[in-house]
Amino acid sequence: AQKVTQAQTEISVVEKEDVTLDCVYETRDTTYYLFWYKQPPSGELVFLIRRNSFDEQNEISGRYSWNFQKSTSSFNFTITASQVVDSAVYFCALSESRFSSGSARQLTFGSGTQLTVLP
Amino acid sequence: DAGVIQSPRHEVTEMGQEVTLRCKPISGHDYLFWYRQTMMRGLELLIYFNNNVPIDDSGMPEDRFSAKMPNASFSTLKIQPSEPRDSAVYFCASRAGQGAYEQYFGPGTRLTVT
Repeated sequence: AQKVTQAQTEISVVEKEDVTLDCVYETRDTTYYLFWYKQPPSGELVFLIRRNSFDEQNEISGRYSWNFQKSTSSFNFTITASQVVDSAVYFCALSESRFSSGSARQLTFGSGTQLTVLP
Repeated sequence: DAGVIQSPRHEVTEMGQEVTLRCKPISGHDYLFWYRQTMMRGLELLIYFNNNVPIDDSGMPEDRFSAKMPNASFSTLKIQPSEPRDSAVYFCASRAGQGAYEQYFGPGTRLTVT
């Protein structure tokens, strides 16, 4: 069975600080996919990024960066120079690649990290 | 392109009433998922469809819940009769077919059952 753990329930930072959101996952598959979603106060879930298990290259997109390390089963998300608009709940999710009795690559979500960026 | 569309955005109803939530997936997406989000249980997958066919409904909590997808552009989630513990945000998500992995979520329907 797959599992995603986001140990940080809430994080509060002051604007312009860097912040890292942790994500640890468990899976028996050798091929899998990891995701981050953002849920702002308005409530919608916004897809941010997908990473494949066979590609450990870190990714940067503007102020966002993701550090994927298979050795520690972690997929951490860093926001550089945080802004008030970054305040949201961030979810890490995992999807296995294989089809098994109808699983069809369902997403398993972590419990989320509430990030508050103070002005 | 329009994203996933859900209606209504908010629903307040009394216990025992029937509630119908609606979803229009992204055009061309083969998979449709219904989730429920609560503080206690987080995001839970209720049911998903592939090419309009229900594939896995093991997450549907009780027989009071039912879902249909009569065509590729429309799905409903019905609760009958509703109970206060059904109060939650219900999300619909869709995903493209083979080779796709990320799901795109609608804005959600906040359901309050009094």
